[in-house]
Amino acid sequence: EAGVVQSPRYKIIEKKQPVAFWCNPISGHNTLYWYRQNLGQGPELLIRYENEEAVDDSQLPKDRFSAERLKGVDSTLKIQPAELGDSAVYLCASSLDGLGNLNSGANVLTFGAGSRLTVL
Amino acid sequence: SQQGEEDPQALSIQEGENATMNCSYKTSINNLQWYRQNSGRGLVHLILIRSNEREKHSGRLRVTLDTSKKSSSLLITASRAADTASYFCSNSGGSNYKLTFGKGTLLTVNP
Repeated sequence: EAGVVQSPRYKIIEKKQPVAFWCNPISGHNTLYWYRQNLGQGPELLIRYENEEAVDDSQLPKDRFSAERLKGVDSTLKIQPAELGDSAVYLCASSLDGLGNLNSGANVLTFGAGSRLTVL
Repeated sequence: SQQGEEDPQALSIQEGENATMNCSYKTSINNLQWYRQNSGRGLVHLILIRSNEREKHSGRLRVTLDTSKKSSSLLITASRAADTASYFCSNSGGSNYKLTFGKGTLLTVNP
């Protein structure tokens, strides 16, 4: 079974340009997460989806970041316009069911390899 | 915030030695999870311990949980060079199953 697939793996853009990242979660995983990871730091949650509904986007900089998860499967994360400080690795993760019984481990995350963004 | 905080920030040991990393958190939890991240890769789930468990083993990994101290430890026995990675703890508490991460412990195992 394929894991969480992300693309592109690397992206270099000039500031003020737009960029989009795509994520295909594990089949059957209802919950999808986008994290941002700066060098030497842990992942920071940007947005979490339960199926197609964004249930936690409190950390998403909404002035320039947007995300969607059409049909509750694939997801895209967009930045427009990009700034120098957006350089980071953008990680997508999925879990079986974030609403499920937590003691069952339904919130164990499977991560993709990440998309490394460099803004010049 | 229920964010976990790992300690130490960096740890360097020789191959064959044991490595111990600690994690502290702030709120009550349902479960606590440990993840590993190799350089340039995504995080990989290692082990989950439930709030009603005190110790759990998986291969060379041993995790303990002390809910009274709001802390957990990850022990890697007989370390190998391939164990070189960053290790993160994460937890979810109450009705909030959002997983947040600390800065991690960077483990270097020297051959």
